[in-house]
Amino acid sequence: NAGVTQTPKFQVLKTGQSMTLQCAQDMNHNSMYWYRQDPGMGLRLIYYSASEGTTDKGEVPNGYNVSRLNKREFSLRLESAAPSQTSVYFCASSAEVGGTQYFGPGTRLTVL
Amino acid sequence: AQSVTQPDIHITVSEGASLELRCNYSYGATPYLFWYVQSPGQGLQLLLKYFSGDTLVQGIKGFEAEFKRSQSSFNLRKPSVHWSDAAEYFCAVASTSGTYKYIFGTGTRLKVLA
Repeated sequence: NAGVTQTPKFQVLKTGQSMTLQCAQDMNHNSMYWYRQDPGMGLRLIYYSASEGTTDKGEVPNGYNVSRLNKREFSLRLESAAPSQTSVYFCASSAEVGGTQYFGPGTRLTVL
Repeated sequence: AQSVTQPDIHITVSEGASLELRCNYSYGATPYLFWYVQSPGQGLQLLLKYFSGDTLVQGIKGFEAEFKRSQSSFNLRKPSVHWSDAAEYFCAVASTSGTYKYIFGTGTRLKVLA
């Protein structure tokens, strides 16, 4: 049982490049989330999807877009990467909004 | 505004000693409360959660937490720490009504001395 998977594990981008972080869950969860984790700041919610077909902004959505492709998959896109987006990105899912979240292993992104 | 405070950034304890990690929250109603643990280079794993009922909740790995409404606290405890408990611990609160909110504290990094 894979749980929540994320690809890639590591990525280095140059300023202005674009990329998409992929996330998939196999637990039949309704809700999915994207967080970024920066030293001393804990986890901050970027976007979430309460259910298939819906997405909403979190605390720090600027510079990001998301797509809930289907119930399993929730991708995060950086259209024009900036050094301030250097971070570790975590995807998570839960059966319902506000419930226990299950996290992926994270993607470490560096923007030069 | 809702918030979660973990006042201790770092804590160091000796193996076998007891542990208490503090968490205080600000919320208009009783939220859902969680403690997660993150080992180096890993994602977060749920230790325990409080939704309602008994205010003392038991979790995995011998951890427990007590919800104290009067103090707006949800402190994590363990009677005897093992070296493998060295990690970062996050408290989180989730809204129970209205607009969705899921807020994490900034974390407490635990170091265990042999």
